[in-house]
Amino acid sequence: SQQGEEDPQALSIQEGENATMNCSYKTSINNLQWYRQNSGRGLVHLILIRSNEREKHSGRLRVTLDTSKKSSSLLITASRAADTASYFCAGDSWGKLQFGAGTQVVVTP
Amino acid sequence: DTAVSQTPKYLVTQMGNDKSIKCEQNLGHDTMYWYKQDSKKFLKIMFSYNNKELIINETVPNRFSPKSPDKAHLNLHINSLELGDSAVYFCASSQTRGVTDYGYTFGSGTRLTVV
Repeated sequence: SQQGEEDPQALSIQEGENATMNCSYKTSINNLQWYRQNSGRGLVHLILIRSNEREKHSGRLRVTLDTSKKSSSLLITASRAADTASYFCAGDSWGKLQFGAGTQVVVTP
Repeated sequence: DTAVSQTPKYLVTQMGNDKSIKCEQNLGHDTMYWYKQDSKKFLKIMFSYNNKELIINETVPNRFSPKSPDKAHLNLHINSLELGDSAVYFCASSQTRGVTDYGYTFGSGTRLTVV
């Protein structure tokens, strides 16, 4: 079964709005990572948060991790049309990335 | 300079054929992986090699055989292809196994279609 489940499955917003997506995982992890996948392309690493961290920022991205609830969230602020993509969380357990089902984000101008 | 490159990008073949996908990374990473993404976009790890040694071998049919001639290359050979093998196969690499600040670097994928 999938390591992570993501919520929502799809998200449609307008440019300038914030996009928030959540992820839950099942087993213990060393870190949790978020990736972006544009249609028909490979995955691009966005941000990594270690299991002993609670929050991390990178540019317009903010990720939180709650290991007690086995959950993480990704916030993209001031979204742009170029942010349109699928976003995946992945728990890393000693070199094994276990992915969530992904959130499809559409940002309209 | 492409960091993780896979060839071919597209592969269309008939059932029963044998095919290979090649992967090369120029990042100096120690660990390489094969992931499979199905039609519903679920990504699942298949294999991982660390310095040419197989360290992760998920429940994958024996028809799939990875080979790592050196730590910069990881190839995937598939025998007797079946319709269910149709998917996008991603190669990835990381600095080392499991302990990284930088995440994994993925190739652009090989879309395999078995007809």
